[in-house]
Amino acid sequence: DAMVIQNPRYQVTQFGKPVTLSCSQTLNHNVMYWYQQKSSQAPKLLFHYYDKDFNNEADTPDNFQSRRPNTSFCFLDIRSPGLGDAAMYLCATSSVTSGLNVLTFGAGSRLTVL
Amino acid sequence: AQSVTQLDSHVSVSEGTPVLLRCNYSSSYSPSLFWYVQHPNKGLQLLLKYTSAATLVKGINGFEAEFKKSETSFHLTKPSAHMSDAAEYFCVVSYSGYSTLTFGKGTMLLVSP
Repeated sequence: DAMVIQNPRYQVTQFGKPVTLSCSQTLNHNVMYWYQQKSSQAPKLLFHYYDKDFNNEADTPDNFQSRRPNTSFCFLDIRSPGLGDAAMYLCATSSVTSGLNVLTFGAGSRLTVL
Repeated sequence: AQSVTQLDSHVSVSEGTPVLLRCNYSSSYSPSLFWYVQHPNKGLQLLLKYTSAATLVKGINGFEAEFKKSETSFHLTKPSAHMSDAAEYFCVVSYSGYSTLTFGKGTMLLVSP
């Protein structure tokens, strides 16, 4: 019954080794978001897609990229992970019909960088 | 500009006692306000939302919140805590559409037997 599915749930990588996290949704929502959440902190928006339009937050490092090949899928690519990129990465969706500012979150992908 | 302040980083209660998690906001516009809950190693789940209808909002799992414009507050309450309520709670403000959500820093609710 899961509606926003993130894979993998846990990812361990080495310093500098690229990582891709995936998010899929069955809600047909047109907006998809990626948030970074470090330990004991609030989620921080990295970027989002409104349909195919990509919107990057001003302070999102260039190391973070995203792809949305279709409505259902969105990927977060971390090109060269550093120790400071260890965090929980949360995917979320929203839509006009459900309320654009009412987000449905996935369970998250926890990234560990060794 | 908008901001949200969660006044307590941690709240400890005993099972069966009332819960109060405090949130104050500032917004130049009529805000939408939300409470999300996050259990350990899980995503965020929407508890309830205020979007300019009734000021007393009922959510899931027995939680409710009251929007008080004069006090710029949106405190979350529950009459009787359950062990399963132990989690982190985020107050969120948005004044329009998408991508304008501002999260509070979170309040960790601890429930003891």
